[in-house]
Amino acid sequence: DGGITQSPKYLFRKEGQNVTLSCEQNLNHDAMYWYRQDPGQGLRLIYYSQIVNDFQKGDIAEGYSVSREKKESFPLTVTSAQKNPTAFYLCASGTGHEQFFGPGTRLTVL
Amino acid sequence: ILNVEQSPQSLHVQEGDSTNFTCSFPSSNFYALHWYRWETAKSPEALFVMTLNGDEKKKGRISATLNTKEGYSYLYIKGSQPEDSATYLCAFPNYGGSQGNLIFGKGTKLSVKP
Repeated sequence: DGGITQSPKYLFRKEGQNVTLSCEQNLNHDAMYWYRQDPGQGLRLIYYSQIVNDFQKGDIAEGYSVSREKKESFPLTVTSAQKNPTAFYLCASGTGHEQFFGPGTRLTVL
Repeated sequence: ILNVEQSPQSLHVQEGDSTNFTCSFPSSNFYALHWYRWETAKSPEALFVMTLNGDEKKKGRISATLNTKEGYSYLYIKGSQPEDSATYLCAFPNYGGSQGNLIFGKGTKLSVKP
């Protein structure tokens, strides 16, 4: 089955902890993206990567970090520097300007 | 800063009603306009990619039109069913359509009552 997987589905973090959200795709897409959704807001871009070993900051990159060591994988780390990390996180991959989404991870800071 | 606006924010209709909602986007440097359907607890699903002024696309009871000169797209649902309940997102490619970001609207949340 071709697609994008994200894990875990739900994640709880204590304040001050770093956590890493997983995103894997087997669609052979070069580009991958991380978005954040908050209630009443559109999807906002955190980071994106157009090719392995390269990534760019999006609109709200502060407090987040990513890596792109493999084409299939684009993990997102939410660091303790992110002041308000409770949100829904969506990963996407794409070709050209089309994007396909994973099922998301809901992160809650306790 | 590019801005994509959707209206209304939410919509409640009865089963069988037809409905429509709007996406407004910058009319300059148009490349494409995307519509997604996002059901609760699922991934956003691509509905349409629209590229030509005057384009009309259809998928079952859902159709969309595009006016690039005035910068808007309408999504229509004919004879709404409870399974149409979802948030409908439109998105506009940033950077003139090169491989990069999509700018998303906040979505229209549709609830269809049986």
